[in-house]
Amino acid sequence: NAGVTQTPKFRVLKTGQSMTLLCAQDMNHEYMYWYRQDPGMGLRLIHYSVGEGTTAKGEVPDGYNVSRLKKQNFLLGLESAAPSQTSVYFCASSYLGQGSGNTIYFGEGSWLTVV
Amino acid sequence: GQNIDQPTEMTATEGAIVQINCTYQTSGFNGLFWYQQHAGEAPTFLSYNVLDGLEEKGRFSSFLSRSKGYSYLLLKELQMKDSASYLCVPMDSNYQLIWGAGTKLIIKP
Repeated sequence: NAGVTQTPKFRVLKTGQSMTLLCAQDMNHEYMYWYRQDPGMGLRLIHYSVGEGTTAKGEVPDGYNVSRLKKQNFLLGLESAAPSQTSVYFCASSYLGQGSGNTIYFGEGSWLTVV
Repeated sequence: GQNIDQPTEMTATEGAIVQINCTYQTSGFNGLFWYQQHAGEAPTFLSYNVLDGLEEKGRFSSFLSRSKGYSYLLLKELQMKDSASYLCVPMDSNYQLIWGAGTKLIIKP
């Protein structure tokens, strides 16, 4: 059972470079999310999607873009990386509306360092 | 505003019982999750409460009082592997999850 997979797991970028984080889920979930987590802090929602072809801004969307062209994939892009974007990024998915089925399932995380 | 209040850190002894308290304020309410997060790993689901009362699942139990904006996670028969952060995560009326920094639980032999 793959669940939620994200790539790459580790990446070092130079300031100003661009990159894309890939997330795939095989649970047929409608909702997908991108979070970042900085040391000693809670998860902060960057962008999310409520279904194929839709995206919405979360709490900290600036400097990031996303796309959900297929239901199972959710891509997070950094157009011009900045040191402030050094963080751990978690992709997640969920299927709402079924009580405990609201559970969010997370990928293993992507450690991004911008130098 | 929306906020969550949990102790930053707690220490307990292997084999003992520990209760992690959480108070929250949200715009509307659609349930509350507890997640466990080991250092360097993703959060993993522990429990979900939407109605008042106690939900028991093995060594872990979670309690909710909606009128008080209060929840707790009870861990019994503590094991060293229970050393982790425990995240109290309420869901608001828009189904948005409100994440805090959680409680870091340290288990000592």
